Amino acid sequence: EPEVTQTPSHQVTQMGQEVILRCVPISNHLYFYWYRQILGQKVEFLVSFYNNEISEKSEIFDDQFSVERPDGSNFTLKIRSTKLEDSAMYFCASTRDASGANVLTFGAGSRLTVL
Amino acid sequence: TQLLEQSPQFLSIQEGENLTVYCNSSSVFSSLQWYRQEPGEGPVLLVTVVTGGEVKKLKRLTFQFGDARKDSSLHITAAQPGDTGLYLCAGTGAGSYQLTFGKGTKLSVIP
Repeated sequence: EPEVTQTPSHQVTQMGQEVILRCVPISNHLYFYWYRQILGQKVEFLVSFYNNEISEKSEIFDDQFSVERPDGSNFTLKIRSTKLEDSAMYFCASTRDASGANVLTFGAGSRLTVL
Repeated sequence: TQLLEQSPQFLSIQEGENLTVYCNSSSVFSSLQWYRQEPGEGPVLLVTVVTGGEVKKLKRLTFQFGDARKDSSLHITAAQPGDTGLYLCAGTGAGSYQLTFGKGTKLSVIP
């Protein structure tokens, strides 16, 4: 069964460092998303991406965050200067269409720990 | 801001018992989805409901979307230890594709 793969599974970084989280969405999917889940809290939407541009973003997705699809397979989330409160599980998701009942397939997540 | 409140937050039951998990909001959702999340993994979609009053069944799991599309429930019949996990509801609002998640219900089914 097709799956969304994320790397790294766990990254530890120092505050102020740049981090890039990578995702390989399902090959025929066109819409890509990043969500995050701080330990003990709900899953929160960060950003959606379609046709090489951001289609929606939340208040969390400030200027420290950026997304890119550098080639035909990867979808990356960059945090320019990490803060302690960026520590969370980051989930990538993709879907083939953007209907209101879209079926999102989530990756297993990348755990980011900022020290 | 749309919010989804899930209850109960924790539920521990004996194998064979029935249970219901609730997902409530003051907002109307275009669609509502239920996910199950295992530790260290991403959410896995169980079902999507889009029509007010809709009922969907997935083996021993029954999902219902409220008539006003503001709430939903998940009912599990004859729970089994394999049902143990975190159950999340998530909804999409009109004109948006982003999912708003509830905090989840952590279910433990004791053999």
